[in-house]
Amino acid sequence: GEDVEQSLFLSVREGDSSVINCTYTDSSSTYLYWYKQEPGAGLQLLTYIFSNMDMKQDQRLTVLLNKKDKHLSLRIADTQTGDSAIYFCAESPYYGGSQGNLIFGKGTKLSVKP
Amino acid sequence: DTEVTQTPKHLVMGMTNKKSLKCEQHMGHRAMYWYKQKAKKPPELMFVYSYEKLSINESVPSRFSPECPNSSLLNLHLHALQPEDSALYLCASSQDLNDNEQFFGPGTRLTVL
Repeated sequence: GEDVEQSLFLSVREGDSSVINCTYTDSSSTYLYWYKQEPGAGLQLLTYIFSNMDMKQDQRLTVLLNKKDKHLSLRIADTQTGDSAIYFCAESPYYGGSQGNLIFGKGTKLSVKP
Repeated sequence: DTEVTQTPKHLVMGMTNKKSLKCEQHMGHRAMYWYKQKAKKPPELMFVYSYEKLSINESVPSRFSPECPNSSLLNLHLHALQPEDSALYLCASSQDLNDNEQFFGPGTRLTVL
């Protein structure tokens, strides 16, 4: 079955880079997503990558996809205290007729120390 | 307008109460979703609506009753809930079921006493 794994915690110092890793099992996944959730709030879509891409960069965010190893990472450059949140990796295991099924990882709690 | 709004933000209800959660979007999205999120857990899909018709019910108990009165609105009617139903209820929408770029609302924090 589909499964998405993430490490639960990451702690970095302000100004450093953060790298959050995710592995998934469904090789048919077409899109992979990173969501950010601040305490008590809903999920904010940060970025996503299509499965035929290796890398996507968007300002301070860099997404790397290793499809062979089914490994996805999110790098946040120059991490700020405002980046402290839980980051969810999610995969969309179907193409067309997807029925809206997003499979979420358990989330990585990023703590940024001043 | 690229926002999904949800009301109320917080709700406290007793086990005998009947209440409703509301979700609204004006992005022209035709797929809308309800998720339940317990503390420190990822969101779990409950229901999916496509073009105002229920497309997926993830074996949710009947004390949760969704309704999609039009393409912009999604309701979740609650009746005879249990304390273990306390959670953050998230609404999301996407262009349609073929588009998994889902936009989430801020959620309703539900406490069942």
